[in-house]
Amino acid sequence: EVQLVESGGGLVQPGGSLRLSCAASGFTFSNYWMSWVRQAPGKGLEWVANIKYDETERYSVDSVKGRFTVSRDNAMNSMYLQMNSLRAEDTAVYFCVRDKSGGWYFDYWGQGTLVTVSS
Amino acid sequence: EIVLTQSPATLSLSPGERATLSCRASPSVSGYLAWYQQKPGQAPRLLIYDVSNRATGIPARFSGSGSGTDFTLTISSLEPEDFAVYYCQQRSNWPPVLFGPGTKVDIK
Repeated sequence: EVQLVESGGGLVQPGGSLRLSCAASGFTFSNYWMSWVRQAPGKGLEWVANIKYDETERYSVDSVKGRFTVSRDNAMNSMYLQMNSLRAEDTAVYFCVRDKSGGWYFDYWGQGTLVTVSS
Repeated sequence: EIVLTQSPATLSLSPGERATLSCRASPSVSGYLAWYQQKPGQAPRLLIYDVSNRATGIPARFSGSGSGTDFTLTISSLEPEDFAVYYCQQRSNWPPVLFGPGTKVDIK
């Protein structure tokens, strides 16, 4: 059974940093692109960033470029999101998501971890 | 940059009725569109990809159609568990991957 479990969310002050983790199991992690998708309270879905299975390609939405970095450790079946210079508008539930094989669609989602940026 | 719009914002229907949800893309996204369902407090679930392919385990009452700029998700007969928010998503011209704003299907 595919499982994606996020951790690392919490309350952080504006300008602060946070590192999210995603632990994957139930599939060959090193074969898949992985993404982070976020959802602000009461709002829609926003793709944040993704990373190729071999780490040779990474992409992110313009609003987080230069502040967020996605990485992965295939030996640990884990993906990470380093978030720096956090802003109030980054407040959201962050989902770890598997890209459907050959797709850029998202076929498995974690339950999400809440990041709150507030003073 | 591609823009996705969904209509209506809210659809009020009764169980057993047919639901027709629209997603419009500008410019064209060819055949690269997906649909997701999200219930309160849950993660989204992939329903349809590449316009009309049902994801694993998705019931046959869900179907997708369209091409280019106009797409439709149809739920042939609403079950109680189908009342949720539905998002379309394009992967034609990435990055970024884009989601539509969503359509809420609620009980009339």
